[in-house]
Amino acid sequence: DTAVSQTPKYLVTQMGNDKSIKCEQNLGHDTMYWYKQDSKKFLKIMFSYNNKELIINETVPNRFSPKSPDKAHLNLHINSLELGDSAVYFCASSKTGPGNTIYFGEGSWLTVV
Amino acid sequence: GESVGLHLPTLSVQEGDNSIINCAYSNSASDYFIWYKQESGKGPQFIIDIRSNMDKRQGQRVTVLLNKTVKHLSLQIAATQPGDSAVYFCAENKGYSTLTFGKGTMLLVSP
Repeated sequence: DTAVSQTPKYLVTQMGNDKSIKCEQNLGHDTMYWYKQDSKKFLKIMFSYNNKELIINETVPNRFSPKSPDKAHLNLHINSLELGDSAVYFCASSKTGPGNTIYFGEGSWLTVV
Repeated sequence: GESVGLHLPTLSVQEGDNSIINCAYSNSASDYFIWYKQESGKGPQFIIDIRSNMDKRQGQRVTVLLNKTVKHLSLQIAATQPGDSAVYFCAENKGYSTLTFGKGTMLLVSP
């Protein structure tokens, strides 16, 4: 069973469209994250949620809106997509507290054309 | 050998050699460190972690060394195999802060 699963794996869309990426974890973790990986493989935190509440919101355009319906799900909605949004988006989860390992999903490859 | 430039730093080794991947971390207050492996087309996978009260930790074929004096972390892979080819990331955090990832090193293992 996949611990952190996200869909879709690949998404090609036109500029200006709105799209969503869904994420679910079955590890019983309280904290979930969205990371963005650019073409140079650099991984950067976007958002962190703990028990459905936003706790970290890095400098991300407000076109990106995470939504957590319950602590096992954290979806990412992106409005008015731009070329620069093309990247790989990783969902992840961990137990709450210091020094806990973060477990990643397989990634969603977003290409904006 | 190892190269650093505009592209991802790359370490090329022969199968069976030992590999050492280095990482300089930024926050002297960090107390938890992790190494992740990312294979092509996949998400980062946990390899091994170490807390700041330790200098060395061993796993299966992997060893992590922590030098807090110079803020340096290394991952040693014994008897490197083609399946070890991937991008390796170090990550650090302190307390409840979120993990901060390093830039990554690509390991290429030739048969």
